[in-house]
Amino acid sequence: GAGVSQSPSNKVTEKGKDVELRCDPISGHTALYWYRQSLGQGLEFLIYFQGNSAPDKSGLPSDRFSAERTGGSVSTLTIQRTQQEDSAVYLCASSLRVPGLAGTVYNEQFFGPGTRLTVL
Amino acid sequence: EDKVVQSPLSLVVHEGDTVTLNCSYEVTNFRSLLWYKQEKKAPTFLFMLTSSGIEKKSGRLSSILDKKELFSILNITATQTGDSAVYLCAVEAAAGNKLTFGGGTRVLVKP
Repeated sequence: GAGVSQSPSNKVTEKGKDVELRCDPISGHTALYWYRQSLGQGLEFLIYFQGNSAPDKSGLPSDRFSAERTGGSVSTLTIQRTQQEDSAVYLCASSLRVPGLAGTVYNEQFFGPGTRLTVL
Repeated sequence: EDKVVQSPLSLVVHEGDTVTLNCSYEVTNFRSLLWYKQEKKAPTFLFMLTSSGIEKKSGRLSSILDKKELFSILNITATQTGDSAVYLCAVEAAAGNKLTFGGGTRVLVKP
């Protein structure tokens, strides 16, 4: 497809259940990011994948959150034993690292439509 | 810790007005500042700024960066109802590639 896609678009689950959110990045984009956005808030970084490097997991709020990226393309964000405070829109973004002046690399991220997660 | 603050939190204008949105930041090893427009779910990219004093323009939107004073502004002239959205500012640091976002400015343009 032309853009980043995410599924499902909406997910309602019960507290304590596990959920999996999927992201298909733009073809050829080497970097993939997960963010979450709580109601009325800005975006909060969760995790970042770049090529075959170890992911940057510094934004994951707890060990109930994990993500993987298979084959350098599709990514799945898993939330175990969901809590009500996990309710948010989960946004995925991808980028193609672009060389800039003097070798500096700049980073324009393209976002998917998000998955709205509601934990009852 | 990297920090991005946007102001105002929200504003209401009428069609044809000009709006100016502010973004100030504190970041170690600044790389770039980005503006996004968010109408429903997915933020859509507007501008990426890396150098001070160079204005970027796209139609009625323009933006400029001041790396000495650590802020950026986004201007929208001759506003239209379709400009109603949340405008997000984000900063990328050289260490790592995550974006740190501000809380956004909600703009409502009334007919």
